[in-house]
Amino acid sequence: EAGVAQSPRYKIIEKRQSVAFWCNPISGHATLYWYQQILGQGPKLLIQFQNNGVVDDSQLPKDRFSAERLKGVDSTLKIQPAKLEDSAVYLCASSLDALAGTDTQYFGPGTRLTVL
Amino acid sequence: AQSVTQPDIHITVSEGASLELRCNYSYGATPYLFWYVQSPGQGLQLLLKYFSGDTLVQGIKGFEAEFKRSQSSFNLRKPSVHWSDAAEYFCAVARRGYQKVTFGTGTKLQVIP
Repeated sequence: EAGVAQSPRYKIIEKRQSVAFWCNPISGHATLYWYQQILGQGPKLLIQFQNNGVVDDSQLPKDRFSAERLKGVDSTLKIQPAKLEDSAVYLCASSLDALAGTDTQYFGPGTRLTVL
Repeated sequence: AQSVTQPDIHITVSEGASLELRCNYSYGATPYLFWYVQSPGQGLQLLLKYFSGDTLVQGIKGFEAEFKRSQSSFNLRKPSVHWSDAAEYFCAVARRGYQKVTFGTGTKLQVIP
């Protein structure tokens, strides 16, 4: 079974530029998550999708971050414009069906973003 | 709001010694509890999880954890540590029936020969 795929693995941009990350979850997984992991901290949930609907985006900085999962499969997370404090690893995870209540998340390798 | 505390930022143990990593959570009801491991440059891998039932949970790589409701704790243990266990370990809590996972700040484990 293929795991969660993410691209790119690394990205370096200047502040105020835009950047996009892509995630392809495990086939058949209804729930998709984006996390931000700043160096020295645990992952912080940014947004959670159930199929193509948003379940939770309470910690997503909506003035600059956006995410979509239009067909309920792969997803894109965008930052526009980027700030220095956005430097972090962005992790994507998926699970079969979080709302069913007995689920497990599987994580991708992450995208390391450096904002200069 | 739910929260997770991992009081030890860094732990060093000798290879072959036993290990216990501490985790305390704050949540109003019975939570879902997890331990993940993250090796440098890698994503997170699930070691074990507690949803209900037996409070002693067995995981992969010889790890186990015990849920103690009275102490709001979910400590991770391993009887004999291997050099390959050196990594960062994260405890996490989620709401029942709806996974909004909150992670602790992690404990970095160093294993010395």
